[in-house]
Amino acid sequence: EVQLVESGGGLVQPGGSLRLSCAASGFTFSSYWMHWVRQAPGKGLVWVSRISSDGSGTNYADSVKGRFTISRDNAENTLYLQVRSLRVEDTAVYYCASLTNGYWGQGTLVTVSS
Amino acid sequence: QTVVTQEPSLTVSPGGTVTLTCASSTGAVTSGYYPNWFQQRPGQAPRPLIYSTDKKHSWTPARFSGSLLGGKAALTLSAVQPEDEAEYYCLLYFDGVLVFGGGTKLTVL
Repeated sequence: EVQLVESGGGLVQPGGSLRLSCAASGFTFSSYWMHWVRQAPGKGLVWVSRISSDGSGTNYADSVKGRFTISRDNAENTLYLQVRSLRVEDTAVYYCASLTNGYWGQGTLVTVSS
Repeated sequence: QTVVTQEPSLTVSPGGTVTLTCASSTGAVTSGYYPNWFQQRPGQAPRPLIYSTDKKHSWTPARFSGSLLGGKAALTLSAVQPEDEAEYYCLLYFDGVLVFGGGTKLTVL
C-alpha cells in the first residue's frame, strides 16, 4: 500500500521556522520527482516546490523562493521542506505529493500566528 | 506572474454532462503544459483524476475525461453523479514551475 505521511507542522510565530517531513512507502520513492503543495484555510491549492528524483534539481514558487528549501533522503524514503521566515500568509495545510503517479499525503497544518 | 483561470462555479443536473475549462494567461494551453485535474471534497486531500491532458489514473471513473478545447485544457464529466459534487482544480506546468487554477466548485442539483 502506498503511503505518504507528512509531519512537523504546528503553531509558530511570525519569523519562525519549521521542518516538514514526508515519509514515503509502498513505491520506489527514489525514482520520482516529489512536490509540496499547500492550501490555506478555505482557499485553493498552491504549488510550492518540487525536487528531482536524485535531489539535484529543485524549483520553487516565487512566493516562497529564498525562504523555503526542499530536500530529500532517498535512503530514508523521506522528503523535507525547511520553511523559514514564516509569515501569517504561510498558514496552510502542506501536502507532499508524487504527481507523476498520483500519490498524495493527508497533509500537515502549519499555523503562523503571534 | 502566470495566472491559470477556471470557472468559479458550475451547476449540473444528475445524469447530465458538464465541461470545466482551464486557461493560461500566457496563451493557448497545449499538451506541453501537461494539464492535470484534481477533485477535492470538503475536508479531504485532493484526489488526482487526469494527468498529461487525457490520461486517467487507475482509480479514475470512466465518466471523467480530459482534453484540449479551444486553447484550454478541459475536464468533461458525463452521466454526472451526486458524489461528483466537489471542487475541481487544474494544474499546468510552465518550464519548471507549476501553477494551479483557482478551482471550480461543481454543484450537482
